[in-house]
Amino acid sequence: NAGVTQTPKFQVLKTGQSMTLQCAQDMNHNSMYWYRQDPGMGLRLIYYSASEGTTDKGEVPNGYNVSRLNKREFSLRLESAAPSQTSVYFCASSEAGGGDEQYFGPGTRLTVT
Amino acid sequence: QKEVEQNSGPLSVPEGAIASLNCTYSDRGSQSFFWYRQYSGKSPELIMFIYSNGDKEDGRFTAQLNKASQYVSLLIRDSQPSDSATYLCAVLSSNDYKLSFGAGTTVTVRA
Repeated sequence: NAGVTQTPKFQVLKTGQSMTLQCAQDMNHNSMYWYRQDPGMGLRLIYYSASEGTTDKGEVPNGYNVSRLNKREFSLRLESAAPSQTSVYFCASSEAGGGDEQYFGPGTRLTVT
Repeated sequence: QKEVEQNSGPLSVPEGAIASLNCTYSDRGSQSFFWYRQYSGKSPELIMFIYSNGDKEDGRFTAQLNKASQYVSLLIRDSQPSDSATYLCAVLSSNDYKLSFGAGTTVTVRA
């Protein structure tokens, strides 16, 4: 079992460029999440998907869109990258939502210049 | 006021000592509390969860919860250099069942 995988591991974008971060899990989990982590601010929820076919906004959704492609995959899209989106992005999954243990992917380090 | 606040650290303790990490939260209705450990450059991993007031022990780790004071703590006994990491407190919101994370406390165990 690979657990939660993310691609790419590193990315540098110029302001205004777009990109999609990919996430996949092989644990048959229903819920998936996208977080960003910035120094001194902990993890902040961007979007989450409680189950296949549903998505909902988290604490910091502006500038992002998501797609729950199927039960395994949950992608995060930056339509027009801004320097404020420079961060480490983590995808996570859990069997159900709420208080279930979340399993995190290895992260994507994104720099927007 | 941030929803989840942790003592800022960094916390440096000698090997074999007890490391004490504190966390306060603002959502009085929260019922579920978690501690995640994150090694430098790695992703977070769950080490403890606690739902009831009092203490919960798992090996060298003890989580303590006081809902009346809106306070949760993590004690690491007999600290080892391998415990050097950032510890994230997470609280499950009572209204939308999403996790809110604190900024983390970085612990360094000196050999």
